[in-house]
Amino acid sequence: NAGVTQTPKFQVLKTGQSMTLQCAQDMNHNSMYWYRQDPGMGLRLIYYSASEGTTDKGEVPNGYNVSRLNKREFSLRLESAAPSQTSVYFCASSVTGQDYNEKLFFGSGTQLSVL
Amino acid sequence: DQQVKQNSPSLSVQEGRISILNCDYTNSMFDYFLWYKKYPAEGPTFLISISSIKDKNEDGRFTVFLNKSAKHLSLHIVPSQPGDSAVYFCAVSHDMRFGAGTRLTVKP
Repeated sequence: NAGVTQTPKFQVLKTGQSMTLQCAQDMNHNSMYWYRQDPGMGLRLIYYSASEGTTDKGEVPNGYNVSRLNKREFSLRLESAAPSQTSVYFCASSVTGQDYNEKLFFGSGTQLSVL
Repeated sequence: DQQVKQNSPSLSVQEGRISILNCDYTNSMFDYFLWYKKYPAEGPTFLISISSIKDKNEDGRFTVFLNKSAKHLSLHIVPSQPGDSAVYFCAVSHDMRFGAGTRLTVKP
């Protein structure tokens, strides 16, 4: 049972470089999410996709773009990386995103450092 | 603005004793609350949840209490075990918002 798979696990970028974080889930979930975790800030929602073909901004979307490639995959792109984007990034999914009693299933994270 | 607050960054307890982790929220419209546990180098995993129509939910050693008038929830772990050492996040499902987390250390 793979669940939610994120790649890469670690990445070092120079300021201004671009990269895409990949996420895939095999649970047939409709909704997918990208969070970043920073010390003292908890998990903050960057973008989410309630269903295939839709994406919406979360709490901290600036500097990021997303693509819901299909039902399984949801990618996060940094077009021009900045040191402030140094963080641990988590992808998550949930069954529908419609029910308030839904829990999220998380990937194991991507540690990103921007120098 | 932090709508979900965990004011204690860390908590240390002795094995076998009770651990109490606290969480405050500001929006009375929030109606479902969840706790997640996170070990180092892993993603958070769901632990327990509670609906606003209840004031208590229990699952084994874990109990969550909700005080709607105070906009406060707490997670009790009894008895605490060294394997419970992790970061605990409270979250509201209304907009998938998380608190800053509390690092629990259970000493043998």
